[in-house]
Order: sequence, then C-alpha cells, then structure tokens
Amino acid sequence: SQELEQSPQSLIVQEGKNLTINCTSSKTLYGLYWYKQKYGEGLIFLMMLQKGGEEKSHEKITAKLDEKKQQSSLHITASQPSHAGIYLCGADITSGTYKYIFGTGTRLKVLA
Amino acid sequence: DTGVSQNPRHKITKRGQNVTFRCDPISEHNRLYWYRQTLGQGPEFLTYFQNEAQLEKSRLLSDRFSAERPKGSFSTLEIQRTEQGDSAMYLCASSPRLGQGRNEQFFGPGTRLTVL
Repeated sequence: SQELEQSPQSLIVQEGKNLTINCTSSKTLYGLYWYKQKYGEGLIFLMMLQKGGEEKSHEKITAKLDEKKQQSSLHITASQPSHAGIYLCGADITSGTYKYIFGTGTRLKVLA
Repeated sequence: DTGVSQNPRHKITKRGQNVTFRCDPISEHNRLYWYRQTLGQGPEFLTYFQNEAQLEKSRLLSDRFSAERPKGSFSTLEIQRTEQGDSAMYLCASSPRLGQGRNEQFFGPGTRLTVL
C-alpha cells in the first residue's frame, strides 16, 4: 500500500487556470516537502512544511499543511506552460529517521 | 555549479554485467541518500550515509547492490550481475541538516540505467 497518496495522478489545464494537488498520509508527517521533476531529470525542491497549519508561497505556488499534519495541498495560481512537470510530495513519517517516502507524483500539463 | 552531481547520466548494459554509479554531494553536506525511481512512480529509498557511515539500508537493496562513501564525500553505488528489473533512474541526494523534520534534501540529475 502507498503510504503517501497523491491526487490527481495527472492533470491537464488550460493556461491561466488555477489547480490544486493533494498529498495525504495516514500517519503524522514530521516534515512535508514538495518537489518538481521534469521527465528524466532530478527533483527540484519547491517548499518544505513542518508545522500544522503552515502555509508557504513562492511566486504563484502555495503549499499548505493541515493542522493534523497528515495532508498537504499544492496550489498553482494562473498556471503557465512552465509549470508543467511532475509534482512529488515527500515526507518524513518516522521521528528520528531521515529518509523520505514519496508519493507517486502528479503529472501536470498546461495547454497554451 | 555546486549542486549534487551524478555520473554517468545514462548507462546501458547487458544483463549480468556490473555497473557503478558515482554521486558527488554538495560540499559539507554530511548526509547522502540513494533512491531508485521507476517510470510512473515516486523515488524509493535505498540507503543513506551520515559522513562515511551507512546508517540504513532498504530491503530493496539486495545483496547485488552495494554502496560506499569511503571518505564521507562522494559515494558510489554498485550493482553486480545486473537484471532487467534493475532498469530505473538512480537518484542521489544530500542534506546539510540534522534534526527531526528538518531534512531538506537536494537531488542530483540522476543516472538512468537500462539493462538489456
């Protein structure tokens, strides 16, 4: 079973539209990290969330971590073709260890 | 460029051959991680080092896999007697910090392995 569920698995939006990607865990998240990956390349760090209720923004991307620290959402406002790629959430789910588990990713395509 | 680097970027090998990948982390990062990623999946943890000590290994890391970080700087991942199921992207990441939940990792571009 997947410990970190992402939804949707894929998303196609028209340029300029807003979108939201969700990441859900059945366990408490000690740290939640959002990454972007282009096909065949490494992961680019976007944001880290650690505290319940925390929200961070960078340019047109906003990420939130719920109070229970079991769900995070990534919201893109006024999407652009440059936002296209695979968005991955990664998390520490065990206190005292430093390895990530990752969701399966959300493939975003933005139509110009 | 002071990011994480990996070599080679691509490797094609025949089944049964041995391959070795190298990862150079960001300078002074004491933690180094290896992940494997197959098509349509997120990265899966393989192993990690704190300095030269290998602190954890995933069950995914069979006896054919070995990783080293001899001087606490660069790391190598070797796969012996490769199988077609080993075909994947192998990602390396490094991290500068310790502490619960504070574990931002910086990833390299990956090595894509194809086993024929």
